[in-house]
Amino acid sequence: EVQLVESGGGLVQPGRSLRLSCAASGFTFDGYGMHWVRQAPGKGLEWVSGTNWNGGTVAYADSVKGRFTISRDNAKNSLYLQMDSLGVEDTALYYCAKGLLSLIGAGLDGWGKGTTVTVSS
Amino acid sequence: DIVMTQSPESLAVSLGERATINCKTSQSVLYTSNKKNYLAWYQQKPGQPPKLLITWSSDREFGVPVRFSGSGSGTDFTLTIRSLQAEDVAVYYCQQYYSAPYTFGQGTKLYIK
Repeated sequence: EVQLVESGGGLVQPGRSLRLSCAASGFTFDGYGMHWVRQAPGKGLEWVSGTNWNGGTVAYADSVKGRFTISRDNAKNSLYLQMDSLGVEDTALYYCAKGLLSLIGAGLDGWGKGTTVTVSS
Repeated sequence: DIVMTQSPESLAVSLGERATINCKTSQSVLYTSNKKNYLAWYQQKPGQPPKLLITWSSDREFGVPVRFSGSGSGTDFTLTIRSLQAEDVAVYYCQQYYSAPYTFGQGTKLYIK
């Protein structure tokens, strides 16, 4: 069974940084692309960033490009999201999600429960 | 970027009746070399993460009830729930994975009438 457990969320001041982690188990981690998707309170889903199976291909939403960095450590079965220059608009529940394929472009067939990021002074 | 437009924003359907949700993409998500539409549908119930229902516009995921079906090609897609059940109350999202950024629609909230 796919298990994805996010951590690293919390309350942070505008302009500061935060690093999210996602621990994966129950599947062959290095065989699949991985993604971050966020959901602001009471709002819809926003795709944030994704990576293919080996981190060789990454992509970002326009809203986070240049501020967020996705990475993965296949030896540790872990996905990360380094978030810099955070703004109040980044406040959301951040989900880690597993892609259906090793490529970056695929449906997302496994989701964690999310970690909450609140950006406020 | 590909813009996803779902309609309607909300929908009330009687138990046992059909629910139809539409998704329009601002450009085609049909990859001509493999004739696949790079579009997925998700269901999100309150307090839960999304659940993948449909991939490649019409392929139902394992375990998804047969009353859920997806159709469409190019830029126009439909999620149909035949014979609505109480447990189908949720928000439904479409997503394109044709090109990054892999955008979602704004969601359609489905209620029981």
